[in-house]
Amino acid sequence: GQSLEQPSEVTAVEGAIVQINCTYQTSGFYGLSWYQQHDGGAPTFLSYNALDGLEETGRFSSFLSRSDSYGYLLLQELQMKDSASYFCAVRDEKSGGSYIPTFGRGTSLIVHP
Amino acid sequence: DVKVTQSSRYLVKRTGEKVFLECVQDMDHENMFWYRQDPGLGLRLIYFSYDVKMKEKGDIPEGYSVSREKKERFSLILESASTNQTSMYLCASRGDRTNTGELFFGEGSRLTVL
Repeated sequence: GQSLEQPSEVTAVEGAIVQINCTYQTSGFYGLSWYQQHDGGAPTFLSYNALDGLEETGRFSSFLSRSDSYGYLLLQELQMKDSASYFCAVRDEKSGGSYIPTFGRGTSLIVHP
Repeated sequence: DVKVTQSSRYLVKRTGEKVFLECVQDMDHENMFWYRQDPGLGLRLIYFSYDVKMKEKGDIPEGYSVSREKKERFSLILESASTNQTSMYLCASRGDRTNTGELFFGEGSRLTVL
């Protein structure tokens, strides 16, 4: 089966850099995604890595190492509005060729002034 | 703007009641999903559908069923609600032609079973 590990909570101050790690165990791995969810809101897609390396999108970057079954989300120049839950999700192949994401338990990021 | 709409944001039901949670998407997506979200447990897949009238069990299907009669609509059914089904339910959709597998989520339906 699949399993993902990410820290339950991370705290940081405004303007800082924070890294949220995700390690996974799965078969038929295709890629690692990150989602952001504010309290009371819908999860929204942030990034996807299928290949090793760093993908940058503005203040957010995501990294993947397939050989280490490890990835991270890097948030720079933290803002108060970045306080949210962040979920990593692995995309792997389930029956019938469907690519179904399995989510981690989420990391609550608290940004302090 | 892409949209996944869940008909009820908050519901309160009694044990044993039949509960319908409705989800509609306007993106012509082939795939639709129902997840359950509980504190500390993340998002767990209940059922998914990759086509009209097709359904597949996820990781926690017990106590639930689904219906997909039209492409845009995916319903989650609790035949006889129990208190352990008190939770946030999230619907999502995804197109087949995606390189990233991005899911589009609804705002969620918070169900309380008394």
